[in-house]
Amino acid sequence: GQSLEQPSEVTAVEGAIVQINCTYQTSGFYGLSWYQQHDGGAPTFLSYNALDGLEETGRFSSFLSRSDSYGYLLLQELQMKDSASYFCAVRQRGSGNTPLVFGKGTRLSVIA
Amino acid sequence: DGGITQSPKYLFRKEGQNVTLSCEQNLNHDAMYWYRQDPGQGLRLIYYSQIVNDFQKGDIAEGYSVSREKKESFPLTVTSAQKNPTAFYLCASADLRQQGEKLFFGSGTQLSVL
Repeated sequence: GQSLEQPSEVTAVEGAIVQINCTYQTSGFYGLSWYQQHDGGAPTFLSYNALDGLEETGRFSSFLSRSDSYGYLLLQELQMKDSASYFCAVRQRGSGNTPLVFGKGTRLSVIA
Repeated sequence: DGGITQSPKYLFRKEGQNVTLSCEQNLNHDAMYWYRQDPGQGLRLIYYSQIVNDFQKGDIAEGYSVSREKKESFPLTVTSAQKNPTAFYLCASADLRQQGEKLFFGSGTQLSVL
């Protein structure tokens, strides 16, 4: 099986940088994904790291280190609209398609 | 526009009643999923399907049933055996030929017990 650990809540100031960590335990997986969900809304895909290293998409970057069983999502130039929950997710290696397993999510509050 | 549609947005269930949540997608995705979301619990997998007429149980399948008679549709029935059905239900789809980790979610159904 697999389990993912994330902080439950993070608070940061508008314009600042925040890092949301995700540690995982799994016997083998394809990569680490990140999703954003605003209150009452649908989760939306942010990024996917298949390989170790940093992936950058605008203000958001995601990092993966398989040797450390660790990844993070980095949000720069924080805006009020970034207040949301962020989930890391993995898909375990197996026969056929295996579904995504999500962490419990980190609620980010951006304050003025 | 292509997308994934869930209905209804809000649903109320009476004691002992079965209710069905609708999920339709026009993205031509083979894979579809149902997740349940409780406050502070993240997303937990109920059922998933990779192909028409085939589906697999997820981590919390007890008290739920699904069907996949058409590629576009993956309805979820919450049966009377599910004793704590109040939750936010999310349907998703994915194109496994491209990036299987990129799920497209519907806007969700909030189910409450009367």
